Amino acid sequence: GENVEQHPSTLSVQEGDSAVIKCTYSDSASNYFPWYKQELGKGPQLIIDIRSNVGEKKDQRIAVTLNKTAKHFSLHITETQPEDSAVYFCAASRGNRDDKIIFGKGTRLHILP
Amino acid sequence: DAGVTQSPTHLIKTRGQQVTLRCSPISGHKSVSWYQQVLGQGPQFIFQYYEKEERGRGNFPDRFSARQFPNYSSELNVNALLLGDSALYLCASSWGTGGYEQYFGPGTRLTVT
Repeated sequence: GENVEQHPSTLSVQEGDSAVIKCTYSDSASNYFPWYKQELGKGPQLIIDIRSNVGEKKDQRIAVTLNKTAKHFSLHITETQPEDSAVYFCAASRGNRDDKIIFGKGTRLHILP
Repeated sequence: DAGVTQSPTHLIKTRGQQVTLRCSPISGHKSVSWYQQVLGQGPQFIFQYYEKEERGRGNFPDRFSARQFPNYSSELNVNALLLGDSALYLCASSWGTGGYEQYFGPGTRLTVT
């Protein structure tokens, strides 16, 4: 069935360093890949997304890359700050052909002072 | 503009009872999706509604049902509650169908005792 694997489950980086979270997906029909940030006691917040016709997308300190052949996609956060500490979820969707998002299990990111 | 709102914030129910959770989407959004998030896991898709019609259903038992009203708000009902139904229930709204650009509310924390 459809599955999204996410690694690592926990990640600690020094403030100012970069963080990378990697995901793989199983459904070759997936064409939309959002990333969500969830802080304690809050709902997931959409921070960036990428569609299958694009290989890379950047928004200030965050970027996503997509390799459709390998079914891999990654989130890169540069110049990390304390407010980046949260749980990050990758997800995949077929978009218009299917109406659900399949989420990974999440990565808890700790930014160390 | 207000984001997605959900009520109540917290709820405690007893096994066998029934519960109704409510969601108001972002103004202009016509689609509402419901997700269940168990502690330490990513959200799992339950339903999507668009223009009052069910557009998608996840692998949840028939005890779970939902509906969407003419003003695009939505209710999720769960009958015959089990201990395993304890979770954070998230509502997400989007402009159209599919998994594109879904924005989440803060969730309702349901505890079944």
